[in-house]
Amino acid sequence: AQRVTQPEKLLSVFKGAPVELKCNYSYSGSPELFWYVQYSRQRLQLLLRHISRESIKGFTADLNKGETSFHLKKPFAQEEDSAMYYCALITGNQFYFGTGTSLTVIP
Amino acid sequence: NAGVTQTPKFQVLKTGQSMTLQCAQDMNHNSMYWYRQDPGMGLRLIYYSASEGTTDKGEVPNGYNVSRLNKREFSLRLESAAPSQTSVYFCASRGTDYNSPLHFGNGTRLTVT
Repeated sequence: AQRVTQPEKLLSVFKGAPVELKCNYSYSGSPELFWYVQYSRQRLQLLLRHISRESIKGFTADLNKGETSFHLKKPFAQEEDSAMYYCALITGNQFYFGTGTSLTVIP
Repeated sequence: NAGVTQTPKFQVLKTGQSMTLQCAQDMNHNSMYWYRQDPGMGLRLIYYSASEGTTDKGEVPNGYNVSRLNKREFSLRLESAAPSQTSVYFCASRGTDYNSPLHFGNGTRLTVT
């Protein structure tokens, strides 16, 4: 069963435009959700986690339990934001990842 | 503090050959994981080890074996490589807190011809 869905494989925005990367999850318990970022041919890095309610590199994500969503947002995209973004859900000892969204910021 | 270290970085195998991917972490983490990353498929869990001495199958374990050699090291073995195992392999570890994140290695890019 698909636990994490990222409906957009590819997303392009212009520099300075707002960006939203969508993530929906399926889990009956209280979810623990993360966003990871992978720059070209590098390791996956933790971007943010919902429990911390933090803002990293201008990105924020709000957990919406009613819509079972954890969308990633940034008000003004920068060229260095171009990367692959993965949403992930923990259940027990296992992490479940979405299929990822490749973000391209056009100069 | 190196974090999670994977070797080798690149490998080319012929069908039927065997190899072991090595992974070590220096963060004193209990849990370690092996994922494969394929275009359009995201990351899929192959095996994980919740603690030293235990291993469990993930989503795609067929064709792989693992060994949790000690708390630091978690290796992934391909006994008879197949072209379908061409992928990028990532090792990861995490601490014991319920919401601890995964820490990833740099990956191993494997091609099976």
